[in-house]
Amino acid sequence: GDSVTQMEGPVTLSEEAFLTINCTYTATGYPSLFWYVQYPGEGLQLLLKATKADDKGSNKGFEATYRKETTSFHLEKGSVQVSDSAVYFCALSEGSNFGNEKLTFGTGTRLTIIP
Amino acid sequence: DAGVTQSPTHLIKTRGQQVTLRCSPKSGHDTVSWYQQALGQGPQFIFQYYEEEERQRGNFPDRFSGHQFPNYSSELNVNALLLGDSALYLCASSLIERYGYTFGSGTRLTVV
Repeated sequence: GDSVTQMEGPVTLSEEAFLTINCTYTATGYPSLFWYVQYPGEGLQLLLKATKADDKGSNKGFEATYRKETTSFHLEKGSVQVSDSAVYFCALSEGSNFGNEKLTFGTGTRLTIIP
Repeated sequence: DAGVTQSPTHLIKTRGQQVTLRCSPKSGHDTVSWYQQALGQGPQFIFQYYEEEERQRGNFPDRFSGHQFPNYSSELNVNALLLGDSALYLCASSLIERYGYTFGSGTRLTVV
């Protein structure tokens, strides 16, 4: 079955540091890939997505590139801020109607940014 | 524009009891999905409802059941609660055939 493996946390960085959170996946078809963020006490929010190989998703300074050859979708940000502290989840969905196929999530990476 | 509303926010139940969790989808959305998020884990898909029918189901036992009403709101029922059912239960709504899940803040269920 489908699965997502992401970098274990917690990750602690200083403000303005470079961030990478690794994510690899296993899927039978050609999944769509997502990064979701969960702030304390809130629901999951979509951060970015990519629907086919070599697509780059980007939002709020975060980027991730869909690498089919390495089955990876690593999250990066050049300069993190304290407000980026949250739990980040990598996820995939199979099927053509990716908006309504089930999401398979990784275990999450807790990120803490220190001023 | 209200997002996804879940109730209650917190709940404590005794092993063996039954529980019902409720979800009101975002305005304009017609599909509701439920996820279970155990502490320190990623959410796991329970099932999805569209047009009042269960459209997809994850690997959860029959103790987990659901319902969708004509106004698109949904309930998740869990029977014969186990300690392992303690988790954050997330509801996500969407519009069928269109991308865009909106997640609620969840219901924290504790089974003692």
